[in-house]
Amino acid sequence: GAVVSQHPSWVICKSGTSVKIECRSLDFQATTMFWYRQFPKQSLMLMATSNEGSKATYEQGVEKDKFLINHASLTLSTLTVTSAHPEDSSFYICSARMNTEAFFGQGTRLTVV
Amino acid sequence: AQKVTQAQTEISVVEKEDVTLDCVYETRDTTYYLFWYKQPPSGELVFLIRRNSFDEQNEISGRYSWNFQKSTSSFNFTITASQVVDSAVYFCALSGGQGGKLIFGQGTELSVKP
Repeated sequence: GAVVSQHPSWVICKSGTSVKIECRSLDFQATTMFWYRQFPKQSLMLMATSNEGSKATYEQGVEKDKFLINHASLTLSTLTVTSAHPEDSSFYICSARMNTEAFFGQGTRLTVV
Repeated sequence: AQKVTQAQTEISVVEKEDVTLDCVYETRDTTYYLFWYKQPPSGELVFLIRRNSFDEQNEISGRYSWNFQKSTSSFNFTITASQVVDSAVYFCALSGGQGGKLIFGQGTELSVKP
């Protein structure tokens, strides 16, 4: 089946720095990708919808200037957490749809120290 | 608005017991899709099943079975003869139409003890 690859799987960064997470659809083109965030013991919350060639659509309460999303090609979407703070520590996971199916990346565990 | 409710936050059973995880959804769409995912401690989401709104047939896959009832807006998941390896968090999710975002329930943490 189709595969979505997310990188890195984990990252530790210092407070105030930026971190980029990549999400690639390996064997299909994804005009739309989705970014979710999951805090410990909680559900996956949609952060934004990434659209190839246009601006991302952010969910209410998600700071677009802090979570920069770029979807420059049909197979790659990136999420950059800018000026990261400890409260941004979380599990971030991307998803791409192909028709009725939904494929998820492996997730990225971000720890900001 | 779309919503998914998994009322059971945690369930603990002893190995070989049957267990049912409940999922209730809300949507105004006539065409929608329901999903179940398993999330082990590694965090990766493991796809279990996808069901569209026009297909109410129950499905069985090995020890797993799903009961879709549109009349009660429920899509429950049963594990028969549970095993320790079934221990994980299970999420029910909903999307409207093709290609749309998934809305997740709160998740149910299943613990199967030997």
